[in-house]
Amino acid sequence: KQEVTQIPAALSVPEGENLVLNCSFTDSAIYNLQWFRQDPGKGLTSLLLIQSSQREQTSGRLNASLDKSSGRSTLYIAASQPGDSATYLCAVRAAQGGSEKLVFGKGTKLTVNP
Amino acid sequence: GAGVSQSPSNKVTEKGKDVELRCDPISGHTALYWYRQSLGQGLEFLIYFQGNSAPDKSGLPSDRFSAERTGGSVSTLTIQRTQQEDSAVYLCASSLSPGPHNEQFFGPGTRLTVL
Repeated sequence: KQEVTQIPAALSVPEGENLVLNCSFTDSAIYNLQWFRQDPGKGLTSLLLIQSSQREQTSGRLNASLDKSSGRSTLYIAASQPGDSATYLCAVRAAQGGSEKLVFGKGTKLTVNP
Repeated sequence: GAGVSQSPSNKVTEKGKDVELRCDPISGHTALYWYRQSLGQGLEFLIYFQGNSAPDKSGLPSDRFSAERTGGSVSTLTIQRTQQEDSAVYLCASSLSPGPHNEQFFGPGTRLTVL
């Protein structure tokens, strides 16, 4: 059974700092990995989608890497801003028997202090 | 174009009552998914639709939970005889088609509180 773990559960940093969020998964047989952002009381906003054949994806100040063999992904946020404060979720699409579901970690709650 | 929409945004009900939650996927998206986000549990898959059929219902927690989709569009998640442990945010997502490389787009969710 695929399990996704995110460390740390919460992180507080001063504005302007570069930071890394970690995601690990137990089964390396995945189709892709996706990073989401969730603001309080809101749904999920997709940030980056990395296919299993890719090593990284970049969007603006965000960079996500994927090491499928070791079961790890990182989300790097450069020059953090208070507006980046949110919960960040990692999810994998498991490559088992045509599974369509995403398996999520419990998230990292990020607070960027002005 | 509009994103995934869900209604109601909030629902408070009494234990034992039935509730219906609605999801309108992005126009043209053939695949639709329901997830549940409980406090301390994270996001869990409930059910997946391709068109009007549900090839994967493996995440439905009990037979009190059911879902249907009509016209390949709107979906309704029904919870019968609600229990306090059903309190959660129910999220719907859609994708253009099934397949491992297609992105799922999420709605804002329905927050269900069972008193």
